[in-house]
Amino acid sequence: KQEVTQIPAALSVPEGENLVLNCSFTDSAIYNLQWFRQDPGKGLTSLLLIQSSQREQTSGRLNASLDKSSGRSTLYIAASQPGDSATYLCAVNGPGANSKLTFGKGITLSVRP
Amino acid sequence: DVKVTQSSRYLVKRTGEKVFLECVQDMDHENMFWYRQDPGLGLRLIYFSYDVKMKEKGDIPEGYSVSREKKERFSLILESASTNQTSMYLCASSLPDTDTQYFGPGTRLTVL
Repeated sequence: KQEVTQIPAALSVPEGENLVLNCSFTDSAIYNLQWFRQDPGKGLTSLLLIQSSQREQTSGRLNASLDKSSGRSTLYIAASQPGDSATYLCAVNGPGANSKLTFGKGITLSVRP
Repeated sequence: DVKVTQSSRYLVKRTGEKVFLECVQDMDHENMFWYRQDPGLGLRLIYFSYDVKMKEKGDIPEGYSVSREKKERFSLILESASTNQTSMYLCASSLPDTDTQYFGPGTRLTVL
């Protein structure tokens, strides 16, 4: 059974810092990996999706990488801002092309002004 | 823009009541999903549907049922609500296979 781990559960950084959020998964036979953002009491917003054949995806100040063989992904946030404060969840699709996602428990990020 | 809406943001029900949570998406997505989210447990899949009138159990289907009579609407039903079903419920939709899932704003259900 696929398991997704995100450590640490919480992170606090000063504004302007570059930071990396980590995600690991146990079964490397995935179809894609997604990073989501969740603000308190709200739904999830998709940030980046990396297909299994890709190594990374970029959107603005965000860059997500994928290393399938080692079962790891990272989300890099450049020049962090207080508005980046949220919970970031990693989710993998697979094994099997069944569209079901397995989520990590998320990392709650706080960016201090 | 994909829009997924859920019928209520907050809901308070009594133990034993029948509860309906409604989800509607406007992008003609085949796939729809119901999750619950609890502190320390993360998101867990309750049920999902790949097409109209089709449903499959997720990881925690006990105590729940679903209905999908139209493509755009996916309902989660708690036949007899219990206090351990107090949670945040999130609906999502996607195109087939491996596309990204789009989430609704969530319904925070409290069962007293």
